[in-house]
Amino acid sequence: EPEVTQTPSHQVTQMGQEVILRCVPISNHLYFYWYRQILGQKVEFLVSFYNNEISEKSEIFDDQFSVERPDGSNFTLKIRSTKLEDSAMYFCASSEQGDIQYFGAGTRLSVL
Amino acid sequence: AQSVTQPDIHITVSEGASLELRCNYSYGATPYLFWYVQSPGQGLQLLLKYFSGDTLVQGIKGFEAEFKRSQSSFNLRKPSVHWSDAAEYFCAVGPFLSGNTPLVFGKGTRLSVIA
Repeated sequence: EPEVTQTPSHQVTQMGQEVILRCVPISNHLYFYWYRQILGQKVEFLVSFYNNEISEKSEIFDDQFSVERPDGSNFTLKIRSTKLEDSAMYFCASSEQGDIQYFGAGTRLSVL
Repeated sequence: AQSVTQPDIHITVSEGASLELRCNYSYGATPYLFWYVQSPGQGLQLLLKYFSGDTLVQGIKGFEAEFKRSQSSFNLRKPSVHWSDAAEYFCAVGPFLSGNTPLVFGKGTRLSVIA
């Protein structure tokens, strides 16, 4: 069964450093998303991406965040200068038609 | 704005007992409704979904959920819980007006299963 793949599973970084979280969506999917879950809190939407551009973004997704689909398979989330409060589990999701979203296992980001 | 409430933070049930996890949503129209499960160290796995039609929907692993418009609820049920069902369960809503609309999640209910 096709699945969304995220790497790395755990990323540790120093405050102020840049991080790139990587995702390989399901191959025939056209809609891509990033969510995050701070420990003990609900899963929150960050950004959606379709047709090589951002479709929608939340208030969380400020200028420190960016997304890119550098080739036909990867979908990345970059945080330019990490803060302590960026520590969270980051989930990538993809959807074929924009209705059912399939999630990856997540990347746990720890900012020290 | 849409919202999802899962009133139970943690539920403990005995193996073989029945289970009902509650979910209430707030949205102006009929939303698309989902239940996801997150096992330790795993991602969010889709259990079932409701878009329209029959208000009782069947999902994977023996789960079902019933959409009740009058109560704005979409409760998840399972007649007999197995130890492997211990996980975090998330209810989510998405209006999907455009196809890029994000999901809004509840805070989740952690299910513990005891022998």
